Amino acid sequence: DIQMTQSPSSLSASVGDRVTITCRASQGIGTYLNWYQQTPGKAPKLLIYAASALHSGVPSRFSGSASGTDFTLTISSLQPDDFATYYCQQSFTSPRTFGQGTKVEIK
Amino acid sequence: EVQLLESGGGLVQPGGSLRLSCSASGFTVSSYAMSWVRQAPGKGLEWVSVISGSGDSTDYADSVKGRFTISRDNSKNTLFLQMNSLRAEDTAVYYCAKEPYYEFLTGYDFFDYWGQGTLVTVSS
Repeated sequence: DIQMTQSPSSLSASVGDRVTITCRASQGIGTYLNWYQQTPGKAPKLLIYAASALHSGVPSRFSGSASGTDFTLTISSLQPDDFATYYCQQSFTSPRTFGQGTKVEIK
Repeated sequence: EVQLLESGGGLVQPGGSLRLSCSASGFTVSSYAMSWVRQAPGKGLEWVSVISGSGDSTDYADSVKGRFTISRDNSKNTLFLQMNSLRAEDTAVYYCAKEPYYEFLTGYDFFDYWGQGTLVTVSS
């Protein structure tokens, strides 16, 4: 199985901060990488697919990029609704695997 | 508006069975691949199973292969997950999720809409 490793596991930030979360795949997956946001007690929501494409209705402060087997989710200016856990997920091969999650907390 | 509503969760003893349902509205389930994804309490997300739009193709995580069966009833626009030989480690919130294409593992696929989840607890 392809292992997806996110870093950091958690971070503290303030409203307005620029936040970057990294996801590394254990082997090449092209740009078959998606990002989700989950708030406590709620279902995950798709943010970005194909490494950098913004899902419909997602604010433009979210962006994604890829470099080899490393992928980055950036929130340009953190908003109160953005305090959540973020997961990456590869769709290159079965089983489709998720990273362990990055929790973004209020500083 | 796309909506997914899971049901069928509950408390079951180890070795028991449960059948989860996911009722869809706002789209036709037979037009898209559909997946189940689970989340153990306090843990991350784990993909469980997928079925193609035709229903002819399915895939399972190794952890549930041979015990779980995914199916769909197009006339009811509903997805199912039959879970047999349940274990404590199957305890989780189970989400159904829509995919963007008729087939799965096209590469650029993802889970674009999710239900609210149903909790399955396996315990004696």
